[in-house]
Amino acid sequence: DTAVSQTPKYLVTQMGNDKSIKCEQNLGHDTMYWYKQDSKKFLKIMFSYNNKELIINETVPNRFSPKSPDKAHLNLHINSLELGDSAVYFCASSQRRVTGGNTIYFGEGSWLTVV
Amino acid sequence: AQSVTQLGSHVSVSEGALVLLRCNYSSSVPPYLFWYVQYPNQGLQLLLKYTTGATLVKGINGFEAEFKKSETSFHLTKPSAHMSDAAEYFCAVPSGGSYIPTFGRGTSLIVHP
Repeated sequence: DTAVSQTPKYLVTQMGNDKSIKCEQNLGHDTMYWYKQDSKKFLKIMFSYNNKELIINETVPNRFSPKSPDKAHLNLHINSLELGDSAVYFCASSQRRVTGGNTIYFGEGSWLTVV
Repeated sequence: AQSVTQLGSHVSVSEGALVLLRCNYSSSVPPYLFWYVQYPNQGLQLLLKYTTGATLVKGINGFEAEFKKSETSFHLTKPSAHMSDAAEYFCAVPSGGSYIPTFGRGTSLIVHP
């Protein structure tokens, strides 16, 4: 069983379109994340949710909107896609520990290409 | 806020040679430090985690890392590289008020036959 699963794995779309990436975790974790990895492999946190509540919202354009219907799901919707949005998007989850010793469990990534 | 610096975006070794990947943390002693590995076209997975106390940490696949306070370092090593170790390696530290892991820029390990 895949612990953190995200779909689609590959997505090619035109500029200006709206797209969504879905994520589900079956680990029973309280906290879920979206990370963006650019072409140079730099990994940056975008959002973090704890029990469906937003706890981290880094400097991300408001075209990106996360939605967490329950603590096992965290979807990412992107409006008006731009060329610069091309990247790999990783969903992840962890148990919440206030001192930060969380092991993060990552999905396999969604490769978004905007043309 | 805590951060980590990984020296060397690429490290190239021969199969069977020692692997050394460098990571330095920014300032005060962090309660936790992590190394993650990313194999091609996959997500990241935990290699090992440092928690306050044990300075030598053993991880999966024969990797280990030593926490050195005097050098603010947490370098990753493996005595003998294998072809299957070729991957991207990330050092990470909890950062900010919510202690979300912040990742270094990654080091690509290349293993030659």
